[in-house]
Amino acid sequence: AQSVTQPDIHITVSEGASLELRCNYSYGATPYLFWYVQSPGQGLQLLLKYFSGDTLVQGIKGFEAEFKRSQSSFNLRKPSVHWSDAAEYFCAVGATGFQKLVFGTGTRLLVSP
Amino acid sequence: ETGVTQTPRHLVMGMTNKKSLKCEQHLGHNAMYWYKQSAKKPLELMFVYSLEERVENNSVPSRFSPECPNSSHLFLHLHTLQPEDSALYLCASSQAPQGASSGANVLTFGAGSRLTVL
Repeated sequence: AQSVTQPDIHITVSEGASLELRCNYSYGATPYLFWYVQSPGQGLQLLLKYFSGDTLVQGIKGFEAEFKRSQSSFNLRKPSVHWSDAAEYFCAVGATGFQKLVFGTGTRLLVSP
Repeated sequence: ETGVTQTPRHLVMGMTNKKSLKCEQHLGHNAMYWYKQSAKKPLELMFVYSLEERVENNSVPSRFSPECPNSSHLFLHLHTLQPEDSALYLCASSQAPQGASSGANVLTFGAGSRLTVL
C-alpha cells in the first residue's frame, strides 16, 4: 500500500521569499502524485499532478513540483510567495486502477510580512 | 452552480440525533467519494461510489450510511454518532477509471461539511 510523509507540520516564509514544501512517498510502482491546497473553511483544490513524462510539472498559482524517483520525493516549490498563499498544503499519492488517493498529514504555510 | 457543492456547511448534533450530509456535483463525473478530515490526521477515505455502485467501504462504522441515488448526488446519513466523529467531511467526484490499468483520475473536492457531535 502507498503512503505519504510530509515532514514539516508548519513552515513560515516571508512574503517574496522562495518556498519548498517536502513530500516523500512510498509505493512499489510508478506513482501518481498530487499537490492540493486547502484554504481555511474550504475544500481541497488541485495545484498540480504528476502522472508520467517530464519530472518537473507546472501548476496553478505559480507553483511547480519535481518528481525524483531516486529520492521518492515530490517537493513543491514557488519562487516568490504571496500572502494569499497562506494555507495548508497536502501531498497525495494515487494507485493505478481505481482512484484511491492517500494523503499526507499536510503542511501549514504561514506568510509573514 | 458549478463544481461540487456540499450542504450543510456546518452541523451540530447530539449523539442520539439523525442527520444527513448532502453532496451534489455538476461536473458530469461518474464517481463520488466521502473523506473524513480530522485535526492532525491524514484525510481518511470512507466510501467510494462508481456508476452509483459502492466500490469501497474502508471499515467505516455502521453509524455512517452512504447513499448514491444517481451519479450527481451523494448522501451521508448519520445516526447515534460519537464525539470523536466530529470532523470535516469532504465530498469529491471524478471520472471513474476505465479498467485496472488505467491512470489515476483527478478528484474535485467540495468545501466540506463541518460536523460537531455533542
